[in-house]
Amino acid sequence: NAGVTQTPKFQVLKTGQSMTLQCAQDMNHNSMYWYRQDPGMGLRLIYYSASEGTTDKGEVPNGYNVSRLNKREFSLRLESAAPSQTSVYFCASGRNMDTEAFFGQGTRLTVV
Amino acid sequence: QQQVKQSPQSLIVQKGGISIINCAYENTAFDYFPWYQQFPGKGPALLIAIRPDVSEKKEGRFTISFNKSAKQFSLHIMDSQPGDSATYFCAASFAGGTSYGKLTFGQGTILTVHP
Repeated sequence: NAGVTQTPKFQVLKTGQSMTLQCAQDMNHNSMYWYRQDPGMGLRLIYYSASEGTTDKGEVPNGYNVSRLNKREFSLRLESAAPSQTSVYFCASGRNMDTEAFFGQGTRLTVV
Repeated sequence: QQQVKQSPQSLIVQKGGISIINCAYENTAFDYFPWYQQFPGKGPALLIAIRPDVSEKKEGRFTISFNKSAKQFSLHIMDSQPGDSATYFCAASFAGGTSYGKLTFGQGTILTVHP
């Protein structure tokens, strides 16, 4: 039982390049989330998806897009990467009406 | 604005001591307050959580104290062990539906427990 799997684990991008962070969960959870973690700021919600086919903005959505491909997969896309998007990105999932969010191991992204 | 403020930023405790981390929140509509523990290179994992209808919750060596009127809650780690060395995040969210995973996090506390 893998839980929440994120790929890649590390990535270096040049300013202006695009990329997609992948996330998949095998716990049959309805809700999925993307957070970014920056030193001294904790984790901040970028986007979330309450169910397959729905997505909504979180606290810091600018510069990102998401796709809920199916119940298992939720991807995060950077269309034109900027140095301010250098961060560690975490995907999480949870059952609706449940109290716990399960996190993946993160993707460390550096934009130069 | 930072809706959940956490202190201290870092904490050093001797083995066997008590670690205390404090959080304050602004939005009185929050009604679920979890603490997450994160080891280097790993994602956060739920440690313990509390609802505002109780003032304290204890699980093993970990206790949450909650003060609704002061809008504050804290994590106490009794008999701290080197294996407890990690980053701890308090968080808050709204009950119901998909809201539990929409967490507002504090800034984090790096706990180091010396042997």
